[in-house]
Amino acid sequence: AQTVTQSQPEMSVQEAETVTLSCTYDTSESDYYLFWYKQPPSRQMILVIRQEAYKQQNATENRFSVNFQKAAKSFSLKISDSQLGDAAMYFCAYRRSNAGGTSYGKLTFGQGTILTVHP
Amino acid sequence: EPEVTQTPSHQVTQMGQEVILRCVPISNHLYFYWYRQILGQKVEFLVSFYNNEISEKSEIFDDQFSVERPDGSNFTLKIRSTKLEDSAMYFCASQRGPPNTGELFFGEGSRLTVL
Repeated sequence: AQTVTQSQPEMSVQEAETVTLSCTYDTSESDYYLFWYKQPPSRQMILVIRQEAYKQQNATENRFSVNFQKAAKSFSLKISDSQLGDAAMYFCAYRRSNAGGTSYGKLTFGQGTILTVHP
Repeated sequence: EPEVTQTPSHQVTQMGQEVILRCVPISNHLYFYWYRQILGQKVEFLVSFYNNEISEKSEIFDDQFSVERPDGSNFTLKIRSTKLEDSAMYFCASQRGPPNTGELFFGEGSRLTVL
């Protein structure tokens, strides 16, 4: 079974600075997808960024980028120029590539990291 | 912007009572999911639903749980006889469909407290 581990329960960053959230995972499969989701307080989870395992290039979305190390099974999220609105719980998640037909949304989540942004 | 909506936001119930959690997925989505998060623990997959039937369910999703899409818009999770350990945040999610990288859209969650 796949597992996802986020070893940082809480992180903090100063506004405009850069922060990196860690995520490791365990799988025996070679093709899969990895995601970072953001959950602001009392709001729904929204997708921040996704990475396909077969792509060597790290995904980027504006101020958000990942460092995907397939051999090390590591998938960290870097947030540059942090803003107050980035404060949230961040979840790392894994999904098999061949999800068995219809479970394209069956995700395995990490424990989450609470990010605090200080003005 | 279309959203997944869930009701109620918080429900308190007595052990042994039936509970129905409701979700309205995004209108053109085809795949529906329930996840739950017990306080302090990971978000866990419960069940996926497509074409009016369950496509996959986890070990958590036992005979006490059921899902249905009664009217083509709502997607409900029923817990027949609640237990203390069912206390959790329940998240509904929907997805437009393939290709593989289709994004999941989550609702804000329904907090269930079983006393």
